[in-house]
Amino acid sequence: EIVLTQSPGTLSLSPGERATLSCRASQSLSRGSVAWYQQRPGQSPRLLMYGATRRATGSPDRFSGSESATEFTLTISSLEPEDFAVYYCQQYETSPYTFGQGTKVEI
Amino acid sequence: QLQLAQSGAEVKKPGSSVRVSCKASGGTFRHYVVSWLRQAPGQGLQWLGGLNPILGPTKYAQKFQGRVTISVDESTNTAYMELTNLTSDDTAVYYCARDLTVGYDSGWFFYWGRGTLVTVSS
Repeated sequence: EIVLTQSPGTLSLSPGERATLSCRASQSLSRGSVAWYQQRPGQSPRLLMYGATRRATGSPDRFSGSESATEFTLTISSLEPEDFAVYYCQQYETSPYTFGQGTKVEI
Repeated sequence: QLQLAQSGAEVKKPGSSVRVSCKASGGTFRHYVVSWLRQAPGQGLQWLGGLNPILGPTKYAQKFQGRVTISVDESTNTAYMELTNLTSDDTAVYYCARDLTVGYDSGWFFYWGRGTLVTVSS
């Protein structure tokens, strides 16, 4: 199965700063089949991005994604207070669909 | 707006089975892919499998093959996940999720239930 490794484990930033989260795949995802989710404490995950670079319905435009064959990035251009949460990447190129271990964005 | 209401928390003994339900309102499961995922305490997300009512058959992660069954009762707009032969490693919050696009397995998860905590303990 495809293993996704997210870095860093924790990102300590302040509101208004830029956040860059990375997700590395154990093999090439030629179709850019990566999604990103945000999970706040006690809540279900929320889809932010799919197809590596496409914002999901309702996802603010401060969220953006970029891709290479094995390296994927989620960028939050200017952190809002509600953005402090855990973020997961997911690949859906091949079954089983797998997730990274998460990056916590904290104040 | 689709809402997915899951059944309540469960406490199970090792070796037993659990069935979690997920009822849709404001929408339907008919012709949509429904998936189940789980999250162990303090851990990340794990996909168990997904049912595609059009393309079939149901896909399961190999790790859970033979222990998990996903089904949908279209008459009641309810999806089910049954997991058998439980161990303490199965203690987790179990989520149902429905695809956004009818008849298509996008692979990503847009609509989520609120989760059901299953605790396996002797």
